[in-house]
Amino acid sequence: GENVEQHPSTLSVQEGDSAVIKCTYSDSASNYFPWYKQELGKGPQLIIDIRSNVGEKKDQRIAVTLNKTAKHFSLHITETQPEDSAVYFCAPWGVNAGNMLTFGGGTRLMVKP
Amino acid sequence: EPEVTQTPSHQVTQMGQEVILRCVPISNHLYFYWYRQILGQKVEFLVSFYNNEISEKSEIFDDQFSVERPDGSNFTLKIRSTKLEDSAMYFCASSNRGSYNSPLHFGNGTRLTVT
Repeated sequence: GENVEQHPSTLSVQEGDSAVIKCTYSDSASNYFPWYKQELGKGPQLIIDIRSNVGEKKDQRIAVTLNKTAKHFSLHITETQPEDSAVYFCAPWGVNAGNMLTFGGGTRLMVKP
Repeated sequence: EPEVTQTPSHQVTQMGQEVILRCVPISNHLYFYWYRQILGQKVEFLVSFYNNEISEKSEIFDDQFSVERPDGSNFTLKIRSTKLEDSAMYFCASSNRGSYNSPLHFGNGTRLTVT
């Protein structure tokens, strides 16, 4: 199965600063790369995703970049706000996984006002 | 926006008892999933369900677990004889196509506490 690692496990930034979370995966057949945000007491919610034919995707303050050669992709949040505080999970997917998503261990982001 | 709803939000049960966790997926979705999250840990896949049958299951999903779609709207997870280590958040999710082609929509979970 897919081995997925996220770094860092916790990240504390000052409001307005940028945050970057990296996800490393093992299956070279992976070709779909989503990021989920989990707020306290809620289920994970998709915030951005990218497919392997694209190197970068941006949606307002969040972006995802993909390096297929190195088998990692990253979540970038600019101009962080307190409401960005949450746990973020990557969940790379490839055809070998069927309908099963393997989540990374999560990154707890704390944005200090 | 339509959402996945789960009941109850918190379930306390004694070891050895049976529990049923209930989910109402988004109405036009065809794929259904259960995931669990032990406190402070990552989200783990349990099972996926499509066309009225299990399509994949993980090692966690042993004979103590079963899923059912008893009618056109509900999707349930049953744990036959709960163990202390079953204590976790259980998330139901649905998608209108398989995991690659459309994102998963998660409910807010049921916290199961086994005493």
